Amino acid sequence: NAGVTQTPKFQVLKTGQSMTLQCAQDMNHNSMYWYRQDPGMGLRLIYYSASEGTTDKGEVPNGYNVSRLNKREFSLRLESAAPSQTSVYFCASSEDRGGRTDTQYFGPGTRLTVL
Amino acid sequence: AQSVTQPDIHITVSEGASLELRCNYSYGATPYLFWYVQSPGQGLQLLLKYFSGDTLVQGIKGFEAEFKRSQSSFNLRKPSVHWSDAAEYFCAVGTPGGTSYGKLTFGQGTILTVHP
Repeated sequence: NAGVTQTPKFQVLKTGQSMTLQCAQDMNHNSMYWYRQDPGMGLRLIYYSASEGTTDKGEVPNGYNVSRLNKREFSLRLESAAPSQTSVYFCASSEDRGGRTDTQYFGPGTRLTVL
Repeated sequence: AQSVTQPDIHITVSEGASLELRCNYSYGATPYLFWYVQSPGQGLQLLLKYFSGDTLVQGIKGFEAEFKRSQSSFNLRKPSVHWSDAAEYFCAVGTPGGTSYGKLTFGQGTILTVHP
């Protein structure tokens, strides 16, 4: 039982390049989330997916796209990276049954630097 | 919309001393409340959570937190800090449903340094 896994762990991009961050969970959770973490700002929600086939914007969605490929996988894509997207990105998942916010389980993070 | 404030950006304590990390939230009803810990270079790990019932909740690693509705607070405490508790701590609030269903709002975090 690996929990939530993310790839890659580190990435350096040049401005304008694109990349996809991968996330997978093996806990059969319904909901998955992408956050970014910047110093002094806590975690901010980029996108989330309440169930397979659905996605919705969070607090800071500009410059990002997501795909909920199946129940296990939720990817985050940067189409044209900008230095402002330098951050640590976390994926999380939760069961969220019965309309109740539940515990979110986090992956180890991806540290992205955009030059 | 809900919000969370952690007033202390950085706290330093001596090993063996007691600890209290503050968390204040803003939400119209009783929220769901969480404390997470993040060790350097790691993801977030749940310490404890409050959904309803007893307002004093116990968590892992000897931590506890008390929900005080009158003060809109959910402070984290530990009677005796260990050097391994040095980390960043995040308070988060979630809601039972509606448009914010399933989403957590995090505070800015409190960095804990432990002196030997």
